[in-house]
Amino acid sequence: DQQVKQNSPSLSVQEGRISILNCDYTNSMFDYFLWYKKYPAEGPTFLISISSIKDKNEDGRFTVFLNKSAKHLSLHIVPSQPGDSAVYFCAASITQGGSEKLVFGKGTKLTVNP
Amino acid sequence: DAGITQSPRHKVTETGTPVTLRCHQTENHRYMYWYRQDPGHGLRLIHYSYGVKDTDKGEVSDGYSVSRSKTEDFLLTLESATSSQTSVYFCAIQTSGSNEQFFGPGTRLTVL
Repeated sequence: DQQVKQNSPSLSVQEGRISILNCDYTNSMFDYFLWYKKYPAEGPTFLISISSIKDKNEDGRFTVFLNKSAKHLSLHIVPSQPGDSAVYFCAASITQGGSEKLVFGKGTKLTVNP
Repeated sequence: DAGITQSPRHKVTETGTPVTLRCHQTENHRYMYWYRQDPGHGLRLIHYSYGVKDTDKGEVSDGYSVSRSKTEDFLLTLESATSSQTSVYFCAIQTSGSNEQFFGPGTRLTVL
């Protein structure tokens, strides 16, 4: 049972355009959502997050939108740059037994073409 | 930089041999995690720790054990490695009062 889904394995956009990465979740107990970026042969790096009580969080070129009723979140990158080419993971946080755990999606590989 | 190192960074071993991976952090974070990353599966939680000698299982814990005898080190052991445990293993820490986890550089393990 996959609780966090990234249905697009890959996405290709032109430099300067907007990249939109999508994520759906099924568990209404998730209370925090995060996006990570991963380059080959490196560990994932934290990008941006959003609390379940908000619907938008912005940090420079990166904006995350949360639609709780639809159990959907998206990451917008504007403008996209070639250095943004990486695998992006959506993650959801849940507290169980007093400990917080993250559940990850399978990732979307973003390619930004010059 | 959350001060996380993993060792070894690469390892090739044979089926049936024991393997221990080490995660070391320098900032006394209470929470530490072990994940594996496989194509088509994203990151999956193996085990986690919420303090010295306090550990619990994640979603893919079968075949793995962990130990945390001091705050800075979290060890992942494959008692008898199998080819299905060929993967990239990531350690992560979580800072107190936040939901973000920060990852180490990973260990690529190949079981022949």
